Amino acid sequence: DAGVIQSPRHEVTEMGQEVTLRCKPISGHDYLFWYRQTMMRGLELLIYFNNNVPIDDSGMPEDRFSAKMPNASFSTLKIQPSEPRDSAVYFCASSPYSDRAGGETQYFGPGTRLLVL
Amino acid sequence: AQKITQTQPGMFVQEKEAVTLDCTYDTSDPSYGLFWYKQPSSGEMIFLIYQGSYDQQNATEGRYSLNFQKARKSANLVISASQLGDSAMYFCAMRENGNNRLAFGKGNQVVVIP
Repeated sequence: DAGVIQSPRHEVTEMGQEVTLRCKPISGHDYLFWYRQTMMRGLELLIYFNNNVPIDDSGMPEDRFSAKMPNASFSTLKIQPSEPRDSAVYFCASSPYSDRAGGETQYFGPGTRLLVL
Repeated sequence: AQKITQTQPGMFVQEKEAVTLDCTYDTSDPSYGLFWYKQPSSGEMIFLIYQGSYDQQNATEGRYSLNFQKARKSANLVISASQLGDSAMYFCAMRENGNNRLAFGKGNQVVVIP
C-alpha cells in the first residue's frame, strides 16, 4: 500500500512568493495532520483535520498560513506571502480512527523541505 | 509546559550492542499513548513502537522494546543488537485521549559505530 504522499519534496522560493504544499493521506484514514520541523522548535503540529473538517488550527503561525482538505484524499498547506523564517521541513501525517488509549499511530509522509530566500 | 522530555546527549553505540533511549512524560490524563519514531538522515519519520497507558505488558516490535514505567512516567526505548542502519534521531511522542495532538520530545541522536 502507498504511504502518505507529499509534493513537492523540495521547494526553493523567494520571499513574498506563494507556496503550496500538497498531501495525499493513506486511503481510509480519517485524520490528517500538518507538522513543521525546525532545529529551533522541533516538531510542531500546525493543524489537523478529521473527516476533511479542520478541528484544531491553533498551531498555525499566523494568517499567512492556510490549510484545506477538499476531499478525503487531498490536502494543501499554503503560505502567502512566504518569509525566510518559514524555511523548515513540513510533514503531512495521517491516521485512522481508533478508540485505544492515545489513538491510532500517525504515519508520516516524506516531508517537503522548504527554503525561502 | 513540556510534556515529553528527552535529555540525553548524542550517543555512540557499538554495533551489536544494545542502547536505551530515555523518555519521560507529563500528563494527568489516565488514557494516553506513547509512540517512538526514528528519523534517519534522509529525513523521513518512521514509526517504531506504541505503548498504551493501560497496557500491562511492555511493548515489543522486533529489536525494539519499550521499558514502560507508568508510576515514574517513563517510556524508554531499548534497541537490541544495534545495526549501522540504526544511526538516526529518535523521537518520543505522546497523545492524550482528551487531546488529539501528538506532542514530541526534542529527540535523541544515536550513532552506531562498527
